[in-house]
Amino acid sequence: DTGVSQDPRHKITKRGQNVTFRCDPISEHNRLYWYRQTLGQGPEFLTYFQNEAQLEKSRLLSDRFSAERPKGSFSTLEIQRTEQGDSAMYLCASSLVNSNTEAFFGQGTRLTVV
Amino acid sequence: AQKVTQAQTEISVVEKEDVTLDCVYETRDTTYYLFWYKQPPSGELVFLIRRNSFDEQNEISGRYSWNFQKSTSSFNFTITASQVVDSAVYFCALSEEYNTDKLIFGTGTRLQVFP
Repeated sequence: DTGVSQDPRHKITKRGQNVTFRCDPISEHNRLYWYRQTLGQGPEFLTYFQNEAQLEKSRLLSDRFSAERPKGSFSTLEIQRTEQGDSAMYLCASSLVNSNTEAFFGQGTRLTVV
Repeated sequence: AQKVTQAQTEISVVEKEDVTLDCVYETRDTTYYLFWYKQPPSGELVFLIRRNSFDEQNEISGRYSWNFQKSTSSFNFTITASQVVDSAVYFCALSEEYNTDKLIFGTGTRLQVFP
């Protein structure tokens, strides 16, 4: 499978715990995006990387959220001290800059905070 | 600020009916891109189309067609002869010129096609 891969697909955690999600983009893609989608809403942009550099962060990304892409390949999104409001689908997408092709999305990680 | 509005929350049709999903956008940019994505129950967003702001030609792809009207800031999507497999949530999205993959999505329209 050469698409965007996200792990885990589902995560249930207790409030206050830390969680980490992983995204493996399409191998030659240098841009990687994280979005959050709550029930009944469209995805909302969180942050993006070009290679290993994090170029933009949304104000939705509070101090409890941190994203990394250490070698310009896979990325991780960590949420510290989870709150019930963090329950959502976290989507990752990747693209090739200046390629005139669209971004490809993964199937997402569904987080439930209980 | 950029914004996408999909006023139709849910549409139900019977198979073989035509259906149009509405999308209205707001932007101050002169160059921008518009998209439609399909999200089946599996959750993955499936790309359907991208259109730049200078290309107002309508497009047809099989049973799908798109109508872009700058004058009304609309980018509507029509499915002709709908099928049960078309059941999904459809999102319209907007992006700016210099980061075409940073998408601003609408709230989506859930389409249910009944046999």
